[in-house]
Amino acid sequence: GQQVMQIPQYQHVQEGEDFTTYCNSSTTLSNIQWYKQRPGGHPVFLIQLVKSGEVKKQKRLTFQFGEAKKNSSLHITATQTTDVGTYFCAGPGNYGQNFVFGPGTRLSVLP
Amino acid sequence: DAMVIQNPRYQVTQFGKPVTLSCSQTLNHNVMYWYQQKSSQAPKLLFHYYDKDFNNEADTPDNFQSRRPNTSFCFLDIRSPGLGDAAMYLCATSRGLAGGLNEQFFGPGTRLTVL
Repeated sequence: GQQVMQIPQYQHVQEGEDFTTYCNSSTTLSNIQWYKQRPGGHPVFLIQLVKSGEVKKQKRLTFQFGEAKKNSSLHITATQTTDVGTYFCAGPGNYGQNFVFGPGTRLSVLP
Repeated sequence: DAMVIQNPRYQVTQFGKPVTLSCSQTLNHNVMYWYQQKSSQAPKLLFHYYDKDFNNEADTPDNFQSRRPNTSFCFLDIRSPGLGDAAMYLCATSRGLAGGLNEQFFGPGTRLTVL
């Protein structure tokens, strides 16, 4: 079945440093979504990418969808303590009905 | 203001004692999902409803059942909870299915403890 991988599993950065997490799918995706889950919280939708090579920005966050639509990345510029949490990518499952989540990247930001 | 509501937020049950978790939504979304999330893991989909159509994931244990009596409400029944069922249970909704432009809205979750 379809698999969604993410690296790294954990990332510790000093406040102000940049951060990137990478998501890879074993199959081509029609779209990919990114979610953020704060410690003790629930996943919150950040963005959805649909087009091959698409790049979207939200303030300090930059999201990319690969040309082959099998990989994606989330880059945070100049991290802040409010960026702490786990970032998940999610793509449609084999039949497009449900979402398959990657294992997530847990970000810690040291002040 | 809350869009996806889950009750209770915390549930303690005994080994083998049935428990029901509830989810309601004010978004009028067609799709409702139940996820299980264990510590430091990704949410794992148990099943979902598209309107009244029920879709069970292949690896969801028979111990887990669900009901959706109307658009707004969905229930997760765990018939005989085991220690391994202790987890956060997340309900989510979306307007349509994953293949479309449909973000998921998650509830705050119910943390289940099994004694």
